[in-house]
Amino acid sequence: EIVMTQSPVTLSVSPGERATLSCRASQSVRSNLAWYQQKPGQAPRLLIYGASTRATGIPARFSGSGSGTEFTLTISSLQSEDFAVYYCQQYNNWPPYIFGQGTKVEIK
Amino acid sequence: QVQLQQWGAGLLKPSETLSLTCAVSGGSFSGYYWIWFRQTPGKGLEWIGEINHGRSTNYNPPLKSRVTLSVDSSKRQVSLTLNSVTAADTAVYYCARRREGSTSDWYIDSWGQGALVTVSS
Repeated sequence: EIVMTQSPVTLSVSPGERATLSCRASQSVRSNLAWYQQKPGQAPRLLIYGASTRATGIPARFSGSGSGTEFTLTISSLQSEDFAVYYCQQYNNWPPYIFGQGTKVEIK
Repeated sequence: QVQLQQWGAGLLKPSETLSLTCAVSGGSFSGYYWIWFRQTPGKGLEWIGEINHGRSTNYNPPLKSRVTLSVDSSKRQVSLTLNSVTAADTAVYYCARRREGSTSDWYIDSWGQGALVTVSS
């Protein structure tokens, strides 16, 4: 089974700064990777699918890149509402519901 | 805009049966798999199983013997039953959906609001 590893576990960032989150797959998932944002007490929300396509209504400050085994989520200028936990998920191999352990983006 | 609304009992005793329902409003009910996840601080997001409107199901093997998924297309509802619960089943449970079809469409585009289920004697 594929293992998804996210780094760092916690990222401390000041508002307005750039945040770069990484996700590594133990084997190739091509571009079948999604990113989700989860705030306390809420369900995850789809941000990015296909490694780089923003979901409907997601601001342009969120961008995704990568393919194969290495992926990056970049938040270009952190807003107060962006402090949350971010998960990557591969959906290339069965079962398609393997998530990383999450990266918490906190206020520095 | 699709909305997934969940409900069910939130407090169970060991050995009881967990039962949750997810109602789908807006959007199409067919052409999707309706998925159940649970989330705990220790194990993160765990897939339970999924069902489509044609009642085709897939289950996570560790849970398969205790899980039943059902669908009522006329009511646009999907239901989860988990038998013989223990404290290890304490979690926030989510329903969600993904498209059927090609692998490139298998991302999860909608989630229910979540339901905390606690198992305690």
